[in-house]
Amino acid sequence: DVVMTQSPLSLPVTPGQPASISCRSSQSLVHSDGNTYLSWFHQRPGQTPRRLIYKVSNRDSGVPDRFGGSGSGTDFTLEISRVEAEDAGVYYCMEGTHWPSFIFGQGTKLEIK
Amino acid sequence: QVQLVQSGAEVKTPGASVKVSCKASGYSFTAHYIHWYRQAPGHGPEWVGRILPSSGAARSFQGRVSITRDTSITTVYMEMSRLTSDDTAVYYCVRDDRAGSLDYWGQGTLVTVSS
Repeated sequence: DVVMTQSPLSLPVTPGQPASISCRSSQSLVHSDGNTYLSWFHQRPGQTPRRLIYKVSNRDSGVPDRFGGSGSGTDFTLEISRVEAEDAGVYYCMEGTHWPSFIFGQGTKLEIK
Repeated sequence: QVQLVQSGAEVKTPGASVKVSCKASGYSFTAHYIHWYRQAPGHGPEWVGRILPSSGAARSFQGRVSITRDTSITTVYMEMSRLTSDDTAVYYCVRDDRAGSLDYWGQGTLVTVSS
């Protein structure tokens, strides 16, 4: 099975400063169709996860442009250019290349200082 | 609008079974896989299984999980047997977007297993 490893697990950030979260997969996420199926989700306490990014770098509708995704193969990054208070919570990467299950990382808790 | 509405919280004793429902609306029910995930406190979502509503073909991570659907009422069910305390978690149904990701989530159903 694919293993998704995130770092750091905890990330304290001052509002207005940038933040970066790394996600590494144990196998390449390049699908046989040429696409790379790596998504990012944000979960606030007591809420369901909300998708931010799909296929490495595509933002979902309504997601602020301060969120950006990048990477290829096995190494991926979520970057927030200027953190705001509402960005607090846990961020998860998820791979969708290896069927039938989509595997999540263990999560990175972003804390606002 | 797409909605997935799950059944309410459950409390079960060890060894019992639980069945959680997920009512879908706002899209073509048979066109998208529905996955089930569970999330224990402080952990990331864990895949439980999935079903293609058009055919009823299902896969799950353990033999004690059964996933079924009723197309007449656009509802998917997840039944788990021989429950233990390790099965205590919030269970989510989630729609597969047909492009390698998940887009819409149910509100979650808390299943508590306790003697």
